Amino acid sequence: DAKTTQPPSMDCAEGRAANLPCNHSTISGNEYVYWYRQIHSQGPQYIIHGLKNNETNEMASLIITEDRKSSTLILPHATLRDTAVYYCIVRPFGSGNTGKLIFGQGTTLQVKP
Amino acid sequence: NAGVMQNPRHLVRRRGQEARLRCSPMKGHSHVYWYRQLPEEGLKFMVYLQKENIIDESGMPKERFSAEFPKEGPSILRIQQVVRGDSAAYFCASSPYGQGSTGELFFGEGSRLTVL
Repeated sequence: DAKTTQPPSMDCAEGRAANLPCNHSTISGNEYVYWYRQIHSQGPQYIIHGLKNNETNEMASLIITEDRKSSTLILPHATLRDTAVYYCIVRPFGSGNTGKLIFGQGTTLQVKP
Repeated sequence: NAGVMQNPRHLVRRRGQEARLRCSPMKGHSHVYWYRQLPEEGLKFMVYLQKENIIDESGMPKERFSAEFPKEGPSILRIQQVVRGDSAAYFCASSPYGQGSTGELFFGEGSRLTVL
């Protein structure tokens, strides 16, 4: 079962920042937070991941709270092509872990003109 | 560097036939994961394979489904005696990293199976 909770849907105006929250209150010390998205039934696409520090790449920023119980994915300037289902996933690393991703229901982000 | 290649992209089978879905991982990747997405549902993990080994098949249905990743060639997900409930999108992902790593998985575009 997924260990994260996300709102089922959100809207965002084109050109504005999209802030997608995720709750992972039972996260363990050996678990990273990953974000993927799935655009219209295409294959999931990796966005970003982090452990405890904030992370930024060319696609997005990831803000993780100090207690690591929640995080926010930020798309700084959303476009219509960012309309997708966004999945927040906690994934353990280290010996004995297979690296598989367990997807929840995700947040459907609708970017509107 | 080509991405994860899945074929066929679309497959139609009648009930009772066999379906074979192929996945060629990215170059240099020796770890393959299969996922299933039923209509209007989320992605469900099925199986994780390394070359010639099944590492985790905790998500595989106990009957009719099998997977392999031979030393040479693509990974194959095989569904015997298909039923209408097998109609779904099947996604393959690959990774160059070993178990327990933090590296991301790279997904293919999926194979869509329709059972008549």
